[in-house]
Amino acid sequence: GAVVSQHPSRVICKSGTSVKIECRSLDFQATTMFWYRQFPKQSLMLMATSNEGSKATYEQGVEKDKFLINHASLTLSTLTVTSAHPEDSSFYICSVDLQGADGYTFGSGTRLTVV
Amino acid sequence: QKEVEQNSGPLSVPEGAIASLNCTYSDRGSQSFFWYRQYSGKSPELIMSIYSNGDKEDGRFTAQLNKASQYVSLLIRDSQPSDSATYLCAVDSPGAGSYQLTFGKGTKLSVIP
Repeated sequence: GAVVSQHPSRVICKSGTSVKIECRSLDFQATTMFWYRQFPKQSLMLMATSNEGSKATYEQGVEKDKFLINHASLTLSTLTVTSAHPEDSSFYICSVDLQGADGYTFGSGTRLTVV
Repeated sequence: QKEVEQNSGPLSVPEGAIASLNCTYSDRGSQSFFWYRQYSGKSPELIMSIYSNGDKEDGRFTAQLNKASQYVSLLIRDSQPSDSATYLCAVDSPGAGSYQLTFGKGTKLSVIP
């Protein structure tokens, strides 16, 4: 199946700073990628749909000016958490739709801790 | 509001037994159904996908789908301690411009040696 690489796997940042998370589809050209957030003991919640060459589509309640998404190529989407606060501490996971029986494949996730 | 409901568990079964996981969903427009396994601190990995009514078997895993009842299940035969994880039911349905996965909260399975 396709491989999705996510980087970094863990990051600790100070409150008020920005953090960029990269999601790369290594062997599949992805016009659409998805960004999820998972708080402890909770399920994955879709934050936004990243569309190559156009603006991302954000879910209700997700601040688009805080969570900046860029999908400049068919293999790379980035999520930037701007002016991070401790409540943004979470597990962020990207996903690619393989559009077939393989379903969706996920990156390895990024554990963000804001101190 | 699309909803996917699962019992949160924990579900404890002895090694070698059958584990039965259940899921219901609200959106009748849903097309594809998935079971993911998630170990603590890791991202989900696909266990099974199912698209039509009936059963689908893959090794020790059997997924069952009943669209009329809006119900999906996963059976794990000969459960092993390594199966201990959280199992997420996910449903693919039309969203804003593309299909989107909606996840249940997951069922935590513990297989007791």
